[in-house]
Amino acid sequence: DTEVTQTPKHLVMGMTNKKSLKCEQHMGHRAMYWYKQKAKKPPELMFVYSYEKLSINESVPSRFSPECPNSSLLNLHLHALQPEDSALYLCASSQVVLAGGSGELFFGEGSRLTVL
Amino acid sequence: GEDVEQSLFLSVREGDSSVINCTYTDSSSTYLYWYKQEPGAGLQLLTYIFSNMDMKQDQRLTVLLNKKDKHLSLRIADTQTGDSAIYFCAESNQGGKLIFGQGTELSVKP
Repeated sequence: DTEVTQTPKHLVMGMTNKKSLKCEQHMGHRAMYWYKQKAKKPPELMFVYSYEKLSINESVPSRFSPECPNSSLLNLHLHALQPEDSALYLCASSQVVLAGGSGELFFGEGSRLTVL
Repeated sequence: GEDVEQSLFLSVREGDSSVINCTYTDSSSTYLYWYKQEPGAGLQLLTYIFSNMDMKQDQRLTVLLNKKDKHLSLRIADTQTGDSAIYFCAESNQGGKLIFGQGTELSVKP
């Protein structure tokens, strides 16, 4: 199983809603990532979890709250988002955190978020 | 600072070779990567090259690395319509981050 599964595939929410994005992998990877991608732009790193601990937060606004309940699951909790937060949110995993190493990142298909 | 640059568009005819170019600035990068993203999908790792290599070939894909000029290229032989996608060059820095280029949109015409 070399898949990273993300749910939901599409999400539409209002600015006052609370919702969550979910990501799951069963490859035994110990590093998991959230990226944000706008149309036809490269992915931008948001968060990195290593061994279930948050290791990188790229100064992401607190309306995005990550959670790593166990080594297979990664959530992104969303609250009071803005229309400019509409984007494709990609989850990825790797065996360990890249540190100039060859750790291949496996990406999910993404959750397309629209904030009204 | 770290920066990865690519041209934004490339158009080729089916059966021709495609060459996508990339320049990077971080000379300490140990690995350099090529990712492919089809419309509506996530990113798929196509290939990567270790920084002490000049070339890597994998079926229709050839990666060339000029470390002195910090230039990376991806050649796709016998390009097919299914190769139409956005191709991202990326380097990994010592902090464990993957730095992506802006992506090259490859359009393959029949």
